[in-house]
Amino acid sequence: DAGVTQSPTHLIKTRGQHVTLRCSPISGHKSVSWYQQVLGQGPQFIFQYYEKEERGRGNFPDRFSARQFPNYSSELNVNALLLGDSALYLCASSITGGRTEAFFGQGTRLTVV
Amino acid sequence: AQSVTQLGSHVSVSEGALVLLRCNYSSSVPPYLFWYVQYPNQGLQLLLKYTTGATLVKGINGFEAEFKKSETSFHLTKPSAHMSDAAEYFCAVSDRAGGYNKLIFGAGTRLAVHP
Repeated sequence: DAGVTQSPTHLIKTRGQHVTLRCSPISGHKSVSWYQQVLGQGPQFIFQYYEKEERGRGNFPDRFSARQFPNYSSELNVNALLLGDSALYLCASSITGGRTEAFFGQGTRLTVV
Repeated sequence: AQSVTQLGSHVSVSEGALVLLRCNYSSSVPPYLFWYVQYPNQGLQLLLKYTTGATLVKGINGFEAEFKKSETSFHLTKPSAHMSDAAEYFCAVSDRAGGYNKLIFGAGTRLAVHP
């Protein structure tokens, strides 16, 4: 079975641009969460989606948005990019978004210049 | 709010030596605790987890961790380090504030293994 897949693996954007990151969860998993990992720090929670509904949002500005599709894949969108948005963005899938473990993808490395 | 503190941002051991990575947590409810490993330019891989029951948890690659409620600790150990264990290790607690579950991570500990 395929694990969590994220695309693209790397990308470089200019300040002020918009970016879309994509995630496909493990087959059978209905919940997707997004985390931001700035260099040298632990991952920080951004969003959780379950059955296409937003369940929770972390302390991130409105420039960050996400959605989940009927096939449970998900997109993370970031508008008006800032240098500080440079980070590894991790997607995690779980069956229901409960307290069981989350399975992480390889991440998308975003560099804003 | 729940939180995780990892003591020591960098740990260096010799190959074959004991690995001890420290994690303390703060939680108002019985915690679910996790250790993840991250190799360079990769995502997070689950090493082990504690939910309920036995306090000594065994994971992959010879790692284990012991949940000590009295000490609010969940330290990760491995009896004999291998070169391949060099990576960053994250301790995390499952938080349910707001009615949904999310992981709260520590800042991580980078493990170096020397020949």
